[in-house]
Amino acid sequence: AQSVTQLDSQVPVFEEAPVELRCNYSSSVSVYLFWYVQYPNQGLQLLLKYLSGSTLVESINGFEAEFNKSQTSFHLRKPSVHISDTAEYFCAVSAGGTSYGKLTFGQGTILTVHP
Amino acid sequence: GAGVSQSPSNKVTEKGKDVELRCDPISGHTALYWYRQSLGQGLEFLIYFQGNSAPDKSGLPSDRFSAERTGGSVSTLTIQRTQQEDSAVYLCASSLERLAGGQETQYFGPGTRLLVL
Repeated sequence: AQSVTQLDSQVPVFEEAPVELRCNYSSSVSVYLFWYVQYPNQGLQLLLKYLSGSTLVESINGFEAEFNKSQTSFHLRKPSVHISDTAEYFCAVSAGGTSYGKLTFGQGTILTVHP
Repeated sequence: GAGVSQSPSNKVTEKGKDVELRCDPISGHTALYWYRQSLGQGLEFLIYFQGNSAPDKSGLPSDRFSAERTGGSVSTLTIQRTQQEDSAVYLCASSLERLAGGQETQYFGPGTRLLVL
């Protein structure tokens, strides 16, 4: 079984400041890692994912996450946030070696960007 | 193209009534998932469909919950004799199954917000 822990339930930051949203996972098998974002009154959208290869993955809107196998982490970072980044962010894993992608989610981190 | 759609967007019901929640996945997506998002439990997996069959129903919380999928497309989640603890947002997601298991992106619908009074 897999589990995901998002260490911060809420992260308030000022616009143009850097941010890191922390995610740790535990699993007895290899995993694939995802960050999903839920903007206010919208559905979940994929932000980025790590499947294999380079441990640093990037999204089109400036977020990046680094897979660290030894620390079982997949923290999400952005060097300079915008008001529009205000949303809830979910870290998720799916188990490798299975035939389908059942996701196990963390509890979510609410990022609030203040002007 | 059209994304995943769910109906109704909101449902208020009385304890003990049955409810049906509908999901229309993206056309051509063979995999379909139901999740539940509640304040106390976060986002939880309920059931997975591959085509019309459900090889993993392990997340359904009780036998009051059932789901079916027809024509490899539309899915219905039914909750019988609803209880207050069933109040949550029910999310549907669909994906292709081109890549080896677990790698595909899941596309989520907007959810159905269920309130049981």
